[in-house]
Amino acid sequence: NAGVTQTPKFQVLKTGQSMTLQCAQDMNHNSMYWYRQDPGMGLRLIYYSASEGTTDKGEVPNGYNVSRLNKREFSLRLESAAPSQTSVYFCAGKKWTGNEAFFGQGTRLTVV
Amino acid sequence: KNEVEQSPQNLTAQEGEFITINCSYSVGISALHWLQQHPGGGIVSLFMLSSGKKKHGRLIATINIQEKHSSLHITASHPRDSAVYICAVSRHTGNQFYFGTGTSLTVIP
Repeated sequence: NAGVTQTPKFQVLKTGQSMTLQCAQDMNHNSMYWYRQDPGMGLRLIYYSASEGTTDKGEVPNGYNVSRLNKREFSLRLESAAPSQTSVYFCAGKKWTGNEAFFGQGTRLTVV
Repeated sequence: KNEVEQSPQNLTAQEGEFITINCSYSVGISALHWLQQHPGGGIVSLFMLSSGKKKHGRLIATINIQEKHSSLHITASHPRDSAVYICAVSRHTGNQFYFGTGTSLTVIP
């Protein structure tokens, strides 16, 4: 039982490159989330998926796309990375019943 | 205005001191969460509470629903408690969490 697993843990991109951050959970979570964490700003919601097959924009969706491939996996794609997307990205999952969220270990992304 | 406010933003304490971190929120909630993040590390859930008080080892979390306020206390603080502590709330409607900006705690030996 690995919980919520994010890959990669670290990534450096050049401006304009694309990449996909992967998130997988084995906790049977219904809802999954992508957040970014920046100094002094707390965690901000990029996109979330309330259930398999649905996705919704959060507070800061511009420059990102997501795919809820199945119940276990929720990926975040940067089509054309910008320095403003340098951040730490966290994936989280939650069941419909109960309120507790479980977080991945984070992906530290630097765009140069 | 942020739905969740934490204080202080930064806190330095001597080993052994009693520490209090405060969280106030402005929305109706179904639960309040205290999270811990060590430097360079992931985020782990310490407590989830909707009323009263919970205790786990040297950590105690309290919530006052009427005042929309929660506190996280650390007794006999230790350098390994050095981390960022994040307060978050979940609401009855919707499927999202709202986060405070975190309190960075440093405990000096």
